[in-house]
Amino acid sequence: DTGVSQDPRHKITKRGQNVTFRCDPISEHNRLYWYRQTLGQGPEFLTYFQNEAQLEKSRLLSDRFSAERPKGSFSTLEIQRTEQGDSAMYLCASSLAQSGTQYFGPGTRLTVL
Amino acid sequence: AQSVTQLGSHVSVSEGALVLLRCNYSSSVPPYLFWYVQYPNQGLQLLLKYTSAATLVKGINGFEAEFKKSETSFHLTKPSAHMSDAAEYFCAVSVSSGGSNYKLTFGKGTLLTVNP
Repeated sequence: DTGVSQDPRHKITKRGQNVTFRCDPISEHNRLYWYRQTLGQGPEFLTYFQNEAQLEKSRLLSDRFSAERPKGSFSTLEIQRTEQGDSAMYLCASSLAQSGTQYFGPGTRLTVL
Repeated sequence: AQSVTQLGSHVSVSEGALVLLRCNYSSSVPPYLFWYVQYPNQGLQLLLKYTSAATLVKGINGFEAEFKKSETSFHLTKPSAHMSDAAEYFCAVSVSSGGSNYKLTFGKGTLLTVNP
C-alpha cells in the first residue's frame, strides 16, 4: 500500500494560465475525491468519482474547473484561466465505496501570482 | 445538511498535560465522525473514526474520542501531550446517501501547540 499520491506538490503560476494536477489513489479504492483548502480553513468538498463516473460536483467547482478519471484509476483536476482566488491547497482522497473512510494525499499547493 | 463546529481555533497545552479538542456536529441522520491531523504543508492523516459501533473510539498516537448523541459532540482527548502532537486537528462528519457514505464536511480546525 503506497498511499494516495499527488503531483506536483507545489505549483506557482501566473493569473490566466491553465494548470493541471494529478492524483493517484490507493490501488484498490474505487472512490476518489477532490477537496480545496484555503488558509485557516478546513478542506471543502469539490467533486467525487466512483470508478470513472463523476457523481457529484460542488457549487465551488466553477466552469473553469474540470476533473476527470478516465480509466477509473488516476484523476486529473484542471483549472483554466487561473485567478488569484484559486490559490489554495488541493487535496485528493480515496476510499472503498463500502468503507466511507477517506485517505488523503499530501496535496498540491497552488499559488497564483 | 450536516455541519461541524470546532470550539477554539487554537489550544495551547504543556507537555504532559491533558489534550481536549472540542467538536460538535449537526446532522439530521446518524453520522459518521472523523478526526484528522494535519502537519504543516502535508495532507490529512486519519486519527480515528466513529461509525455507529462503540461510542468510545480509540485511535492512533494515544488519542481517543467519545460520541455523545445527546450532546451532539465528538471531542478528542489524549491524557498526556507530547511535543510531536503539535499540529492542526480537523473534525469531520459524513452521512449516508443512497446507502453509502461519501463527502466529508470539515470544521475549521484547531491548532494545537505544545509547550515544553
